[in-house]
Amino acid sequence: GDSVTQMEGPVTLSEEAFLTINCTYTATGYPSLFWYVQYPGEGLQLLLKATKADDKGSNKGFEATYRKETTSFHLEKGSVQVSDSAVYFCALSEYGNKLVFGAGTILRVKS
Amino acid sequence: DSGVTQTPKHLITATGQRVTLRCSPRSGDLSVYWYQQSLDQGLQFLIQYYNGEERAKGNILERFSAQQFPDLHSELNLSSLELGDSALYFCASSVEQGNYEQYFGPGTRLTVT
Repeated sequence: GDSVTQMEGPVTLSEEAFLTINCTYTATGYPSLFWYVQYPGEGLQLLLKATKADDKGSNKGFEATYRKETTSFHLEKGSVQVSDSAVYFCALSEYGNKLVFGAGTILRVKS
Repeated sequence: DSGVTQTPKHLITATGQRVTLRCSPRSGDLSVYWYQQSLDQGLQFLIQYYNGEERAKGNILERFSAQQFPDLHSELNLSSLELGDSALYFCASSVEQGNYEQYFGPGTRLTVT
């Protein structure tokens, strides 16, 4: 079945550092890919998405490119802020149905 | 604010009891999804409803059931509760089946003692 694998955390960075969170997937078809973010005590917020190969999703300085050849959707940000501290989930959806999530990666940004 | 509301925010109950979690989707959204988030299982899909009809089932226990009402709100019923049912339960909605963006509510934290 479909699955998503994310790099284990926590990831601890200093403010203004470069962020990469790796995500790879396994799917039978051509899924849409997502990054969701969960701040402490809150629900999940859609951060960005890509629906086909080579699409780049971007939002709030975060980017991720759908790489079909490597089945990857790595999340990047050029300069993180303390306010980016949260849990980040990579997810996929085939045919717009249920979301299949990775385990989540905790990001801690120190000032 | 995603526009999806869930009540209650917290629920503490004893083993063997039954609870009902409620979800109101975003205005205009026809599809509702339920997910469970626990430390050992992560985020797992439970069940999906579209315009009142069940459309997909995931890892939902037989002790759990759900429904979507004509006004499109949904309820998740959990019965014969066990300690292991303690988790965060999220509802998400999307405009239609096959739409790729799901918007999540704030969740209901269930604690079974």
